[in-house]
Amino acid sequence: ETGVTQSPTHLIKTRGQQVTLRCSSQSGHNTVSWYQQALGQGPQFIFQYYREEENGRGNFPPRFSGLQFPNYSSELNVNALELDDSALYLCASSLASGGGAKNIQYFGAGTRLSVL
Amino acid sequence: DQQVKQNSPSLSVQEGRISILNCDYTNSMFDYFLWYKKYPAEGPTFLISISSIKDKNEDGRFTVFLNKSAKHLSLHIVPSQPGDSAVYFCAASVDFPGTYKYIFGTGTRLKVLA
Repeated sequence: ETGVTQSPTHLIKTRGQQVTLRCSSQSGHNTVSWYQQALGQGPQFIFQYYREEENGRGNFPPRFSGLQFPNYSSELNVNALELDDSALYLCASSLASGGGAKNIQYFGAGTRLSVL
Repeated sequence: DQQVKQNSPSLSVQEGRISILNCDYTNSMFDYFLWYKKYPAEGPTFLISISSIKDKNEDGRFTVFLNKSAKHLSLHIVPSQPGDSAVYFCAASVDFPGTYKYIFGTGTRLKVLA
């Protein structure tokens, strides 16, 4: 059973550019959540995808968008990059979109994005 | 508005002693609480969790206590080992609605001294 994998590991972009981050969910998991972790902070919820549909969004602008594919892998797209977008982006997968012990979210190692 | 707070940024403990990490929350709608451990260059690793209907959950050296009236949870590690040195995040799960998101604290860096 493979865990959550994210690519790339590191990325450097300049302000105004666009970026796509990728996530493969853990085997058997149909729900993917994306989080942004700024330096010295805890992860902050961006949005969640369940069965290829966005299933909830945190306090992030529309230039943060995503996709989920039939194999439940997911992409996070960020347009018009700003300096404050520099952070660790974490993907987490779970069995389903509910809460509790059945649907604990398991995290990948993240993608470190630097915006210059 | 920080709904989940970890007020101690760091903690140092001698090997073999107890480590106690604390977390406070403000939202009484949280129904599930989790602790994650994070090593450098790795993602958060799930450690232990507790439902809001319980007050204690134990897994080996790790015990989580929940005090709902005080809106406080704590993680006890006994005995502490050097390999436990990491950043520990507490998280609360809330129905968003229709989806469950996690709200994380800012983390406590635990250093276990050999």
